[in-house]
Amino acid sequence: ETGVTQTPRHLVMGMTNKKSLKCEQHLGHNAMYWYKQSAKKPLELMFVYNFKEQTENNSVPSRFSPECPNSSHLFLHLHTLQPEDSALYLCASSPRVNEQYFGPGTRLTVT
Amino acid sequence: QKEVEQNSGPLSVPEGAIASLNCTYSDRGSQSFFWYRQYSGKSPELIMSIYSNGDKEDGRFTAQLNKASQYVSLLIRDSQPSDSATYLCAVNSNEKLTFGTGTRLTIIP
Repeated sequence: ETGVTQTPRHLVMGMTNKKSLKCEQHLGHNAMYWYKQSAKKPLELMFVYNFKEQTENNSVPSRFSPECPNSSHLFLHLHTLQPEDSALYLCASSPRVNEQYFGPGTRLTVT
Repeated sequence: QKEVEQNSGPLSVPEGAIASLNCTYSDRGSQSFFWYRQYSGKSPELIMSIYSNGDKEDGRFTAQLNKASQYVSLLIRDSQPSDSATYLCAVNSNEKLTFGTGTRLTIIP
């Protein structure tokens, strides 16, 4: 147990649906991250928040919309996704960029 | 050129032997280096970090860093079946962590 939780663990959604992924960390870290992990590809950094402020948006399509209401919570709002967006979405937190602790992930399938 | 390169494997090693995992990176200015272990269906778990040239040992794991040659490796001594997983190399460059695609390791009993 790394102290980073994610819900839901599995999500199936249609291309016209709107859903949200939730991440919560209980480690007192200042930075939180969203990553996408697809088969045969490296982990792709999507968004970075430091002290609730977004510090990086790695050219992510606007159908993914992050929200960080406080330093313990991070959301990823999804709308009008494409089948190629099906992947494992991982949240991580860190006291500094070096040591990132991952949540269990949300396995997303877009139909 | 990929920023962080790893042999995707699979790498098969007999139980009790030494498993050697390698990683090369392209940014000479990279400051810190990490190995994550990811079991099938699970999220990555940080197992080793190394910041300066040389070896760093932690139990059965040894990380080796050579900045001049831009490679970092992970040795696992006395390999156990529970070591079977995908090992991800990650490199911190300009305060951004970049991951390799991972090497799948299988320990054969």
